[in-house]
Amino acid sequence: QKEVEQNSGPLSVPEGAIASLNCTYSDRGSQSFFWYRQYSGKSPELIMFIYSNGDKEDGRFTAQLNKASQYVSLLIRDSQPSDSATYLCAVTGNQFYFGTGTSLTVIP
Amino acid sequence: EAGVAQSPRYKIIEKRQSVAFWCNPISGHATLYWYQQILGQGPKLLIQFQNNGVVDDSQLPKDRFSAERLKGVDSTLKIQPAKLEDSAVYLCASSPGAGWTYEQYFGPGTRLTVT
Repeated sequence: QKEVEQNSGPLSVPEGAIASLNCTYSDRGSQSFFWYRQYSGKSPELIMFIYSNGDKEDGRFTAQLNKASQYVSLLIRDSQPSDSATYLCAVTGNQFYFGTGTSLTVIP
Repeated sequence: EAGVAQSPRYKIIEKRQSVAFWCNPISGHATLYWYQQILGQGPKLLIQFQNNGVVDDSQLPKDRFSAERLKGVDSTLKIQPAKLEDSAVYLCASSPGAGWTYEQYFGPGTRLTVT
């Protein structure tokens, strides 16, 4: 079982819609959870991090954490074509683990 | 503020050759990471330094990979000898603090192709 699992996609949504990205993790002791965005051929950049159960909002982005179910999600509201990228979930436990990423395409 | 610098940006070598990558972190950042990202996968942590000491190298293939961070600033990652499966992008990242809660800033990466 991988430490962090994501649906590789691709996920396609129309412009203006809500994109929902999900991530599950195996280490129940994981403490910190991160969402990175990676454009094709570029390096990852941090979008959000969350530590506590519940929702955390930052602009058009909302991270949701449910430690009991061991999942974390990212919602992107009013999706724009510039949001088209691969979204990486990362989790800290004993180490820092990235998922394989979900490819998102926002269709104009 | 200058970002994380890496060189070279691209490298093509034959298997069994050696190669070295260089990273200069953001000024003042104590923690430096090296990741390997194979196409279609997420980055995998190879080694983490805090200042010039190794914090975690549990996923570094030590029979062929080595890394050092002299004087707690620049770092080099070496592969000797290279294998075909080492073809990947090698990312360097730095963060201002030691814990995982600090944001990591990534460099542009070095794309290695082993033929």
